[in-house]
Amino acid sequence: GDSVTQKQGQVTLSEDDFLFINCTYSTTTYPTLFWYVQYPGQGPQLLLKVTTANNKGISRGFEATYDKGTTSFHLQKASVQESDSAVYFCALVDTGNTGKLIFGLGTTLQVQP
Amino acid sequence: DAGVTQTPRHEVAEKGQTIILKCEPVSGHNDLFWYRQTKIQGLELLSYFRSKSLMEDGGAFKDRFKAEMLNSSFSTLKIQPTEPKDSAVYLCASTQGAGNTLYFGAGTRLSVL
Repeated sequence: GDSVTQKQGQVTLSEDDFLFINCTYSTTTYPTLFWYVQYPGQGPQLLLKVTTANNKGISRGFEATYDKGTTSFHLQKASVQESDSAVYFCALVDTGNTGKLIFGLGTTLQVQP
Repeated sequence: DAGVTQTPRHEVAEKGQTIILKCEPVSGHNDLFWYRQTKIQGLELLSYFRSKSLMEDGGAFKDRFKAEMLNSSFSTLKIQPTEPKDSAVYLCASTQGAGNTLYFGAGTRLSVL
């Protein structure tokens, strides 16, 4: 079945550091891919979304590129701020083309001032 | 438009009790999901409704978990009887359909003693 893998459980950085969060996926199609962010006490919210038509998503300084060759969708940001501290989830739309999303386990980002 | 509303925000139950969690999706959304979130398992799908019809009832959760969608603007998740291992955050989410943004509520944090 469809799956999403995030290898990093936690990432700790200092302000202005470069962020890279790993995400790989497994599916039989070319689904829409998402990054969601969850701040403490809130539900996850959409950070960015990429389809096969546009290949790259950019939002609030974050970017992710759809790479069909390596089946990856890594999240990057050039310079993180303390306010970026949150949990980041990679997700894909399941093969059945329902509204259902398959999520990775999440990566907790802690940015120290 | 109002987002997804979940009540209560926190629930404390004794083992063996019945609890009911409530959710109001975004107006006009056709798909509604219930997820359970824990640090170990991440986001696990409990139930999925499309236009009020139950499309998926997460296998491992069938025996004590029952989600209902009484009308297009209200859903409940009943856990009966509760067990300590049910302690988690329960998230409700809605979307217009496949490939669209999934909007989450803030969640209900359940503690079972």
